[in-house]
This record gives sequence, structure tokens and C-alpha cells, in this order.
Amino acid sequence: QKEVEQDPGPLSVPEGAIVSLNCTYSNSAFQYFMWYRQYSRKGPELLMYTYSSGNKEDGRFTAQVDKSSKYISLFIRDSQPSDSATYLCAIVTGNQFYFGTGTSLTVIP
Amino acid sequence: DTGVSQDPRHKITKRGQNVTFRCDPISEHNRLYWYRQTLGQGPEFLTYFQNEAQLEKSRLLSDRFSAERPKGSFSTLEIQRTEQGDSAMYLCASSSGGQRVFGPGTRLTVT
Repeated sequence: QKEVEQDPGPLSVPEGAIVSLNCTYSNSAFQYFMWYRQYSRKGPELLMYTYSSGNKEDGRFTAQVDKSSKYISLFIRDSQPSDSATYLCAIVTGNQFYFGTGTSLTVIP
Repeated sequence: DTGVSQDPRHKITKRGQNVTFRCDPISEHNRLYWYRQTLGQGPEFLTYFQNEAQLEKSRLLSDRFSAERPKGSFSTLEIQRTEQGDSAMYLCASSSGGQRVFGPGTRLTVT
């Protein structure tokens, strides 16, 4: 079983839609949860970072962690064409980062 | 620019040739990481330096791969006798113990 599972998509939504991206993980020892955005042919950039169960908001983005279910989500409100990218979850314990495979998102104008 | 930089951004090479990539981390970051990313996959960890010491290597890092960080600043990743399976994006990241900041990557194509 992989440490982190993420649906690769692709996901295509109309502009203005609410997007939900999800990952599941297997090890309850994981401590930190991150979401990265990666544009085509670019390196990943950190979007959100949290370590506790619950929600964390930053503008149009909300990161949600449910440690009891080992499930994390990223919600994007009022999605824009500029949000079209691959979204990677990363789950961390100690110095080990485990990345999901990424979900490809296209927001159609 | 105070981010992580990588050079070259793209490299096309013939099978069997050697290639070397360079990473310049954020100057105050003492930790440096190399990852490999293939299409449709997340980054896979290759190796990690703290200052000039290489502290961890993945089993993905075969003996054809070598990484150095001689003065604890920039790092190089060399691949000897490249194979078509080495075609990937090679990402460098740096941190000071917290969040990892990624560079733009070097895309390697082995023909």
C-alpha cells in the first residue's frame, strides 16, 4: 500500500466552480500536511500547510484534515482559469516527505 | 531572485552520455534535496544534504548517480551512462528545517 493515495484526475470544471481535491494516507504517525501547486514544466510551489485536524483558510483555498479518517482535502472556491495546474498533496513525518501522484485540474473560462 | 535556481532548465542527451545538473538553493537554507519526477507522478526523493554532508540516499539513486554539495552551498547531480529511463524532471528543493522550497527543475530527455 502506498503511503499516500491521490486521484490523478484529470478534473475539468467551469470557471467559478468549487473544486475539491483529496488524498488519503496510511500512516497515522504523519505529522504535517501540505498542498503544492505545479504549473506545467515548473517546480511545485507550496500553497497550504497544516498540522492539525480541522480547516485552514487562505483566500479562496481551504485545507481540511481529518486525522481519524486519514483523509485530507483542498477546496478551491470561485475557481479561475489561472488555477489550472496539477495539485500535489504531501504528507510529512520527521524528515520524510511523501507526495501523492498529483491531480490535474483544468478550469474552463 | 531569492528562490531556488537550477541549471540547465532543459537537457537533451544521447543514451550513454554523462550529464550534470546544478542547483543553487536559497542562501540561508542549510538543507538541500534532489527529487525526480516523471509524467503523472509526484516527486520521488533521491538524496538529501545538510550543509555539505550527504545524509540520506534513496534506493532509486543507482551507482550511476552521484550528488555533491562541496561547500554546503550549491549542489550538483551527475548521471553517468544515461539510459532512456532516466528521462524525467529533476527537482531540487531547499529548506532550513521547515517548508521545502522547490526550484523550477531540469527536464532531461535521453534519446
